[in-house]
Amino acid sequence: DAGITQSPRYKITETGRQVTLMCHQTWSHSYMFWYRQDLGHGLRLIYYSAAADITDKGEVPDGYVVSRSKTENFPLTLESATRSQTSVYFCASSIDGTTEAFFGQGTRLTVV
Amino acid sequence: EDQVTQSPEALRLQEGESSSLNCSYTVSGLRGLFWYRQDPGKGPEFLFTLYSAGEEKEKERLKATLTKKESFLHITAPKPEDSATYLCAVEGTGGFKTIFGAGTRLFVKA
Repeated sequence: DAGITQSPRYKITETGRQVTLMCHQTWSHSYMFWYRQDLGHGLRLIYYSAAADITDKGEVPDGYVVSRSKTENFPLTLESATRSQTSVYFCASSIDGTTEAFFGQGTRLTVV
Repeated sequence: EDQVTQSPEALRLQEGESSSLNCSYTVSGLRGLFWYRQDPGKGPEFLFTLYSAGEEKEKERLKATLTKKESFLHITAPKPEDSATYLCAVEGTGGFKTIFGAGTRLFVKA
């Protein structure tokens, strides 16, 4: 199916563990983004990628790592999860970074 | 620093009662202003892009307008299915870093 998919939809992990959230898009969009959404803060950009092997920090990058070896995939890794990283994470893609973004369904991550 | 403020935080309407949502922004050169709709448990869904002051766009019961400092999302004769959170976002010329507001939660009662 065409679109943007995230996995898993729900994840519970323990403090200090490494966890990777997956994002896959089928449109061959150049730009991909990772956001976190918390009550009172709205969506905040973690990292974005303009193309394969090109990534850059957003507003809240600390504690996160991204990679983009293929255009269609943009995984987000929490190297050592902390309770403050409990959030809903959204992946998005857009054609050129200045037009509308298409969002995945989100991953609800709980760090205990 | 680029900033987006949405008001009100929540809005309760009766079916058919028209109203407007506000999005105030400060940005170093506006590349585009976006409106999204978000249903509970889902990702945001694109509604409109506005690029310059004076521009207007419509879709069904929704109409978005833009000035140099703010945007309005007008909802005419809303229905219960319009209940959702509406997000405003701006893209400045400083880079590909869209800034989102916290959203307005809209409840429409039948």
